[in-house]
Amino acid sequence: ELKVEQNPLFLSMQEGKNYTIYCNYSTTSDRLYWYRQDPGKSLESLFVLLSNGAVKQEGRLMASLDTKARLSTLHITAAVHDLSATYFCAVDRGAGNMLTFGGGTRLMVKP
Amino acid sequence: NAGVMQNPRHLVRRRGQEARLRCSPMKGHSHVYWYRQLPEEGLKFMVYLQKENIIDESGMPKERFSAEFPKEGPSILRIQQVVRGDSAAYFCASSPMVTDPYGYTFGSGTRLTVV
Repeated sequence: ELKVEQNPLFLSMQEGKNYTIYCNYSTTSDRLYWYRQDPGKSLESLFVLLSNGAVKQEGRLMASLDTKARLSTLHITAAVHDLSATYFCAVDRGAGNMLTFGGGTRLMVKP
Repeated sequence: NAGVMQNPRHLVRRRGQEARLRCSPMKGHSHVYWYRQLPEEGLKFMVYLQKENIIDESGMPKERFSAEFPKEGPSILRIQQVVRGDSAAYFCASSPMVTDPYGYTFGSGTRLTVV
């Protein structure tokens, strides 16, 4: 059974600081997704990572994938308050786009 | 393109009643997925459907829950005899084909409250 673990579960940081969220998964997969969720809202797709060594950047967020280590990271550079949200990674089970989600990282960026 | 449409957005049911949640996939999408999100948790896969077929229901509770995606109309997630533990947000996602990772799109969700 595929397990996906994120850490930390909760992150409080000051504006301007850098930090990394980690996503470990237990079995081989070639698709990893990062999503953002604001309270009471749906999921906003941030990144789709499809191959070992993939790195994607959008604004202050950068995601990478190491399929050999079964690890993805979401790096936040110079955080701003607008980035406050819950971030989820999700891994495709490998057959049919059925995703297994991590427990989420609740990020609070303080002014 | 209106995106993945779910309704209702909020649903309140008394214990023992039935809940029906609807999901209309994006135009051109023939694959539908249902997920449940309990408070403060990640989403949990429930069921994967194509038109008139259940492909994988490994995440569905064995009792009281059922799903369908008829030839015409939206996909329906049905919960019979709801209990307080069914209170959650239910999200639907659709994709055009399983080989397309970029087309995977979530709806806004239905928030079910059982009182």
